Amino acid sequence: GEQVEQLPSSLIVQEGASVLINCSYTDSASVYFPWYKQEPGKRLQFIIDIRSNMERKQTQRLTLLFDKKTKHLSLHITATQPGDSAIYFCSASPSNNRIFFGDGTQLVVKP
Amino acid sequence: DMKVTQMPRYLIKRMGENVLLECGQDMSHETMYWYRQDPGLGLQLIYISYDVDSNSEGDIPKGYRVSRKKREHFSLILDSAKTNQTSVYFCASRGTGGRQNTLYFGAGTRLSVL
Repeated sequence: GEQVEQLPSSLIVQEGASVLINCSYTDSASVYFPWYKQEPGKRLQFIIDIRSNMERKQTQRLTLLFDKKTKHLSLHITATQPGDSAIYFCSASPSNNRIFFGDGTQLVVKP
Repeated sequence: DMKVTQMPRYLIKRMGENVLLECGQDMSHETMYWYRQDPGLGLQLIYISYDVDSNSEGDIPKGYRVSRKKREHFSLILDSAKTNQTSVYFCASRGTGGRQNTLYFGAGTRLSVL
C-alpha cells in the first residue's frame, strides 16, 4: 500500500523564520494530498490540500508545492509565530477511501 | 458547526478488561475511521466503516473490533485489553462534496491499560 514519509521529524525555529516540511509518497494512484495540524493535546485539523493536477497552492502564510514526477510535496510556512507550534501531518489519498499519513513533523516556534 | 465527538476523553483500564470507545458525528458522513496515535508512529489505521454495518479492517485491526449500527455512531471495542493498546485513539469522518477527501477528527481518547 501507500507509504508516506515526512522529513524532518522535528524543527525548532525562532519566531519570524520560515520553515520547510518535506513529504514523499510511493503510490502513483494517490491524487489528493491534505495536510493537517495538531496543536498540543488537540485534534488534527485540516490546513491545506492539493490535488495531483496542481503544482502549487497558497493560503495566507502556507505554500504547498507538488511534484508529481518525483512524488514529492513540500509545505512552506513563512513568518512563523508561536501559535504555529504543532505537529504537521502530510497525507495521501488514492480513490479508495484510504488515507495514509506520514509520521508527522513537530514544529516548535520560539518567541 | 461540523463536529466529531469522542467519549470518553480519558480512560484507565486494567489488562483483560473490556473497553468501549464511542464516536459520533453530526454531518451524516458515510465513511468513518478509527486511528491510534503513538509517539513517533504517526497515525495507524485500525478500521474503516463505509456506512452502517459495512466495516473493513485497516492496517492494525488485531485486538480490536468495531460496530456501526447508525450512520452517526461508530464504536471501537477492545475485548480483553492489553497493555500495548495504551495509546491515543482518534475517530474521524470523511467529508463530502468539495471536501470529500478531508477528514474531520474527534478530540481523541487517551486510553491507559495497566
